[in-house]
Amino acid sequence: DTAVSQTPKYLVTQMGNDKSIKCEQNLGHDTMYWYKQDSKKFLKIMFSYNNKELIINETVPNRFSPKSPDKAHLNLHINSLELGDSAVYFCASSQAGEIEEQFFGPGTRLTVL
Amino acid sequence: AQTVTQSQPEMSVQEAETVTLSCTYDTSESDYYLFWYKQPPSRQMILVIRQEAYKQQNATENRFSVNFQKAAKSFSLKISDSQLGDAAMYFCAYRSARGKLVFGQGTRLTINP
Repeated sequence: DTAVSQTPKYLVTQMGNDKSIKCEQNLGHDTMYWYKQDSKKFLKIMFSYNNKELIINETVPNRFSPKSPDKAHLNLHINSLELGDSAVYFCASSQAGEIEEQFFGPGTRLTVL
Repeated sequence: AQTVTQSQPEMSVQEAETVTLSCTYDTSESDYYLFWYKQPPSRQMILVIRQEAYKQQNATENRFSVNFQKAAKSFSLKISDSQLGDAAMYFCAYRSARGKLVFGQGTRLTINP
């Protein structure tokens, strides 16, 4: 059973396009995250939602817009894609508690041409 | 803001030997969690071990153990009896009070047969 799933796993698109990445978790967690891993493997948080409410919004261009229709889903929409957006995007989830281990999805490799 | 530093971009070890990966962090918080994640070529992020800052005892998970020095803000990972399957990128991560993970730059571990 997949705990955190992302679609698509690979996404190749042209500069200027708009694209979305979907994330779903079946762990019953109340918090979800988006991380970006650049070409040097550096991982950095972008957003976090708790029970559909935005709680973390790092310095991310407003071309990136997360949407959480329910607490099991957190989608990432990117407008006007740029070359620098090429990266691997990871979704993660956790449950508030003593140790908030975050479970990661398999990642989506986005390539902007 | 919290920062995490992994000073070893690459490490290698002979199969069955022991290797230690270094991690230091900077924070003004007194209560936090530390993690080591493994990222094999499949790019899946896998939790290796975690440590609560309020616990003095070092965490251990089978062949993996940590040396947590709170005063020195150091959190190294020791892998004993290294196996070929341990080859991966290893990321040290700090979990802030707000829940976001702050990652180090990563250490690429190679296992020599």
